[in-house]
Amino acid sequence: EDQVTQSPEALRLQEGESSSLNCSYTVSGLRGLFWYRQDPGKGPEFLFTLYSAGEEKEKERLKATLTKKESFLHITAPKPEDSATYLCAPYGGSNYKLTFGKGTLLTVNP
Amino acid sequence: NAGVTQTPKFQVLKTGQSMTLQCAQDMNHNSMYWYRQDPGMGLRLIYYSASEGTTDKGEVPNGYNVSRLNKREFSLRLESAAPSQTSVYFCASRKDNPSNQPQHFGDGTRLSIL
Repeated sequence: EDQVTQSPEALRLQEGESSSLNCSYTVSGLRGLFWYRQDPGKGPEFLFTLYSAGEEKEKERLKATLTKKESFLHITAPKPEDSATYLCAPYGGSNYKLTFGKGTLLTVNP
Repeated sequence: NAGVTQTPKFQVLKTGQSMTLQCAQDMNHNSMYWYRQDPGMGLRLIYYSASEGTTDKGEVPNGYNVSRLNKREFSLRLESAAPSQTSVYFCASRKDNPSNQPQHFGDGTRLSIL
């Protein structure tokens, strides 16, 4: 059975305080991994796709990396508007089914 | 840029009532999905449709039925609602080609069953 664990469950940072979120997984036939951002009352919003170990993607203050067993979302000098729940979702098999983690709730205080 | 549109946004039902949740996408995507999101749990797949006319069960299909009405629309029906089906329901769609495309989500339907 595919499993995904995200840590920490919640993270509180001061504005400008960099940190990392972790996503570890066991997925058969892994094809890649997505990172999403979810704001309260909204659906998940796509951030990144990572396909292979060693790959990195960047967008503004966010950088996602991938190894064979885990992915990290690094947040550099975060701002209050980065506050959200961040979801990772590895996928595998021929039908691209996603397995979502429970998410990390990030709060950035001004 | 509507993307994925879900209706209604909120609904309260009594146990035993039936209801259909509607989802439409305007991105010409082939694949569509229904998920539920509960506190402390990740998004769980209920049903999906790889193309018009086909549907398949996901992780938690019991108590639900779906219809892929056409390429744009994918509905989720609760025939006899139960309190355990209180949840936030998300619809998503995905472009199949090229491969490895992400799913794009609507903003959800918040359903309470009393």
